[in-house]
Amino acid sequence: NAGVTQTPKFQVLKTGQSMTLQCAQDMNHEYMSWYRQDPGMGLRLIHYSVGAGITDQGEVPNGYNVSRSTTEDFPLRLLSAAPSQTSVYFCASTRDGSYEQYFGPGTRLTVT
Amino acid sequence: KQEVTQIPAALSVPEGENLVLNCSFTDSAIYNLQWFRQDPGKGLTSLLLIQSSQREQTSGRLNASLDKSSGRSTLYIAASQPGDSATYLCASGSARQLTFGSGTQLTVLP
Repeated sequence: NAGVTQTPKFQVLKTGQSMTLQCAQDMNHEYMSWYRQDPGMGLRLIHYSVGAGITDQGEVPNGYNVSRSTTEDFPLRLLSAAPSQTSVYFCASTRDGSYEQYFGPGTRLTVT
Repeated sequence: KQEVTQIPAALSVPEGENLVLNCSFTDSAIYNLQWFRQDPGKGLTSLLLIQSSQREQTSGRLNASLDKSSGRSTLYIAASQPGDSATYLCASGSARQLTFGSGTQLTVLP
């Protein structure tokens, strides 16, 4: 199993550009989440999904959009990038009935 | 709203020392407490998961305990090694979401 994979690993955007961060898992996990990690602030939840077609907002959802059309994939869209969205983004998954979360390697995003 | 705190933010110890990392949380009605390791520029690796009905978990040289009544968890590392140098994060929550502490950056000196 590849586990949780994320692409790209690094990305530089200009203010106002849009892009999609990709996340995929091959463990047939029902739950998937997106977090951002900023220095001194730990990880904060952006959006999560409890299954295909079902998503909900986390702690810091503004400026981000998600959808989940399949169990495997959970892309995160930045609609109009802002410097405040410079961060490291992590995708995570877990199976229903378990609490152990598995994280991807992260995407380091810089918005200039 | 759950808040998770980790003190100290950084810790430096000589090789071979036993050490304890602390994690405190404000809401005792938690589902689980999970400890992660993060190496520089890398993702999070799960170390130990303690479910709310459990008091501790062990894996090799690592032992994590959970005391919901006091809102605390500790991660005990025995006989520390330079390879243990990393940032250690604790998080509490459910399958839907975790609330993370800011982490303790551990340096084990040879």
